[in-house]
Formats: sequence, C-alpha cells, structure tokens
Amino acid sequence: AQSVTQPDIHITVSEGASLELRCNYSYGATPYLFWYVQSPGQGLQLLLKYFSGDTLVQGIKGFEAEFKRSQSSFNLRKPSVHWSDAAEYFCVLYNFNKFYFGSGTKLNVKP
Amino acid sequence: EPEVTQTPSHQVTQMGQEVILRCVPISNHLYFYWYRQILGQKVEFLVSFYNNEISEKSEIFDDQFSVERPDGSNFTLKIRSTKLEDSAMYFCASRAGGGLPGGYEQYFGPGTRLTVT
Repeated sequence: AQSVTQPDIHITVSEGASLELRCNYSYGATPYLFWYVQSPGQGLQLLLKYFSGDTLVQGIKGFEAEFKRSQSSFNLRKPSVHWSDAAEYFCVLYNFNKFYFGSGTKLNVKP
Repeated sequence: EPEVTQTPSHQVTQMGQEVILRCVPISNHLYFYWYRQILGQKVEFLVSFYNNEISEKSEIFDDQFSVERPDGSNFTLKIRSTKLEDSAMYFCASRAGGGLPGGYEQYFGPGTRLTVT
C-alpha cells in the first residue's frame, strides 16, 4: 500500500540557515510526488512536483527537492531560509486519482 | 491567475444539522476533490469526482457525506447529520487532468472551517 512519512513533526532553523525536510514514501512504481506549503490560516500551495526525468526538481520560492529511488525519499531543501518560510510543509504522493498526504512538518524560523 | 474558491469561510452548526460546503473549481479543470484537516492533524482525502461521478472515496466518506456538481461550476460537499467529530477544515481542490504532468497539479481552495457544537 502506498503511504508517505514525514519523520520530523517540528523543525526550527535560524533565518539564513539551510533547510532540509524529509519525506519517505512507500509505493511500488515510480511515484508522482509533490511538496505543498500551508501558511497559517491559508490554503495549500504547490511548491514543486516530480513525475520523471531529472531527479532534482526546482520549485517556487527557492525550494528544490531531490528524488532518490534507492532511499524512497523526496526531501525538500532550501539553501537559505527566510522568516516568511515559517509554515507547515506536506509531502504528497499521487496514485490512481488519490493523493496521499504525509503528516506534515511545521517549520519555525528563528530571527 | 485562476483560483479555487470556497464558501463560507467559516460555518458553525449544531450537531445533527445538515451542512453544505461550496466550492468553485478552476473553470477548465476536470477532477475535483474534497479533503479535511482536523485541527492539529494531517490532511485526509475524502473523495474525488470526475465526469459527474465519484471516482474514489475514503473510509471517512460514509453515507453521511455526498458530493454534487449541480450546475457545471459549483462543487458541493453535503454532510447530512453533522457530528462533533466532523469539526475540521474542509479543503476543495481541482486539477486539469488530461494525462499531462501539469494535469496532476492540484489547486486548493482556502478552506471552510466547520465547527459543530
């Protein structure tokens, strides 16, 4: 069965520091994977997606993610975090018209 | 830029009452979804809708729930007899479809916060 695991519930980083949010998935074939961000009181915004091809994908707001089949991972990265990046981040897997969400990682940014 | 809209933004209802949550998906999209997020918990898939019928639904989506696309633009979620545990944020989403990579991108509405008292 397909599933998505985000092992970190909360992460705190200092503004300007680098960020990596972890995502592991369980799926038999090549997955379609997404990262979404949810700012407080807001809806969900797509950051980036992976379907096939280049395993390093670029997204909006300076985010990137790397698909690693051998590790069943799709980690989200940003080289320098801004205070406005404080939000909750969800890794999502698509399969047969259903989207499976990870439990989310809340990012706090220290000044 | 086109967006998904949802009304109302907040709905308060008494236990046992019926509620209808409304969504207007992006106009050329073909696939429609409802999700819920109980406070502090993960986003949960409820139902997907395509070609005027349900294509997938979760275990949460029992007989108390129904969806409809009554007029070609609105997409509604009805809860027939609300329970306390239905209190959550409900998100509508749509995607274009068509088998192209961009067709799998879901666009989410801002959500309706449902409070059942």
